[in-house]
Amino acid sequence: ETGVTQTPRHLVMGMTNKKSLKCEQHLGHNAMYWYKQSAKKPLELMFVYSLEERVENNSVPSRFSPECPNSSHLFLHLHTLQPEDSALYLCASSPSYRGGTGELFFGEGSRLTVL
Amino acid sequence: QQPVQSPQAVILREGEDAVINCSSSKALYSVHWYRQKHGEAPVFLMILLKGGEQKGHEKISASFNEKKQQSSLYLTASQLSYSGTYFCGTELEDFGNEKLTFGTGTRLTIIP
Repeated sequence: ETGVTQTPRHLVMGMTNKKSLKCEQHLGHNAMYWYKQSAKKPLELMFVYSLEERVENNSVPSRFSPECPNSSHLFLHLHTLQPEDSALYLCASSPSYRGGTGELFFGEGSRLTVL
Repeated sequence: QQPVQSPQAVILREGEDAVINCSSSKALYSVHWYRQKHGEAPVFLMILLKGGEQKGHEKISASFNEKKQQSSLYLTASQLSYSGTYFCGTELEDFGNEKLTFGTGTRLTIIP
């Protein structure tokens, strides 16, 4: 199994739908992250969890709701999204969110299209 | 504040060398480099810390000029497998990954 697995890889949803993105890491890491990647824009950090507690929320609209039930799983719940939310959503993990080499291990991403 | 990468895109023939720059207007604590191939996950290449030495990874190396607040990524004798988008991420202090800010990337295309 790859280190960080994201599902689904592609998602198309209407503005009134509710869906969830799932991330699972098999690396034994304590920190997990959600990033948004839009065309010609830098990677934007959305949420950080350390030992299942949220440690960072970068002013993300409430239509995005993260959940971290344990250190191996991370969800991003989506509801009443806007077309501008269409992007690649990347999950990442690291041994800890402070210290160490700082290396992030990314999943391949979930490509979201909001109609 | 996000770092500025240059160039935005570059096309090289196999075997040629490339340099990608990452600059900040503020004093940096560290610079991280990642490569993302089309449709794949970004992959960590290396991290350079303030006061640290130049790093190397096979034929890919990087330097960190603290005076200029700039890091440069060097790809020598480029191979087809080097194609992808290279991102730098910067930290202003040792705050941890939640303060890592990425540039918009440099798209590198290697042609035979």
